[in-house]
Formats: sequence, structure tokens, C-alpha cells
Amino acid sequence: GAVVSQHPSWVICKSGTSVKIECRSLDFQATTMFWYRQFPKQSLMLMATSNEGSKATYEQGVEKDKFLINHASLTLSTLTVTSAHPEDSSFYICSASAGRRNIQYFGAGTRLSVL
Amino acid sequence: KNEVEQSPQNLTAQEGEFITINCSYSVGISALHWLQQHPGGGIVSLFMLSSGKKKHGRLIATINIQEKHSSLHITASHPRDSAVYICAVNTDKLIFGTGTRLQVFP
Repeated sequence: GAVVSQHPSWVICKSGTSVKIECRSLDFQATTMFWYRQFPKQSLMLMATSNEGSKATYEQGVEKDKFLINHASLTLSTLTVTSAHPEDSSFYICSASAGRRNIQYFGAGTRLSVL
Repeated sequence: KNEVEQSPQNLTAQEGEFITINCSYSVGISALHWLQQHPGGGIVSLFMLSSGKKKHGRLIATINIQEKHSSLHITASHPRDSAVYICAVNTDKLIFGTGTRLQVFP
């Protein structure tokens, strides 16, 4: 099956710093990438949808200036958590879709801990 | 009421038992996914269904579009099957169930 690589898998940072998370589709061209957030023992919540070459569409309640998404190529999307605070500590997961039948392939996730 | 409901929320089993996890949804969908999330958080896509039944090893997934219901079965369960199993449905986006936490004891 298709492979999506997410990096890093775990990051610890100080409050106020910015953290970048990468999501790469390794063996297919991802026309659409999705970013999800998961709090402990809760289901995944969609943060934003990004299409290659255009601005991301953010879900209600997600600050676009806080969570910067760049989808510069068909194989790479990045999520930057700017000026991270402890409440941003969470599990972030990306997925990628080639658009065919809405099949999404998931990255392994990134656990962010902000001290 | 959530658009995607899973049951049970928690499930414990003895090694070798047959396990069933259920998913009901209330919206029109183009497909349904079963995902497995291990304690470290990583997600693996197990199945994507739009009709009928799929089998992969000890895992079987079925879907009944008319009844808006899907089941995930695990035959001959093993401790390494311990994980959270998540049902997600495709509308114009993915809607996730809250997951079923499975623990299989030796």
C-alpha cells in the first residue's frame, strides 16, 4: 500500500518556540493532505485540509496563524506550530490522498510536548 | 449524537477469542475505514470498505450500507492485537469514531 512518512515522531520544545512537522508521500503524488490533532483518549479532529499549490482550508476554531500549513509539492506538506504553548501539546497526524475514491493514507503521527 | 458510533468502548479478551467491534453511522458515506492505533500513537489503515466484506489475515471487515453498519472481526486474537481500533467514514471529509480500546491477555 501507499506509504506516508511523518517526521519527527516525537518532539519536545520550550514554550514560545516554533516546531515544524513534515508529512511526505513516498510512493504517490498527494493532491490533498490532511492534518489531524488528537488529545488523549479522544478521536482525531481534522485541523485543516491542504491542496498542493493553494492555501489550506482550516476547520472552525483552528487558528491559521498559529498552525501554518504549507503544501509546496505533491509529496510534501508541513505543519508549523508557531510560538508553541503547553496547551498545544498533543498528537498530530497527517494523511495524504491521491484524490481517487477519497482513500487516505496515514502518517505515523508526531507527539508534541511543549514545556 | 455522534455521527459515528463505535461499540464497545473498551474490550478485554483472552488470547484466542473471537472479537467483534461494531461501527454505526448516520450520514451518507462513500467509504468506511478501519484504523488501528497502537499505544505509541501510530496509525495503521486496516481496511477501506464501500460494500461487502474484506479479509486480511485474521482480520475481517464487513459493511452493510443499507443498515449503515460495519463490523471488524478478529479471529484467534493475540496480545499483539491490543490497540485502539477506530472506525472512520468518508463524507466530504473523514469523520472518526471515538475508538474501541482492545486488550488481549495471554
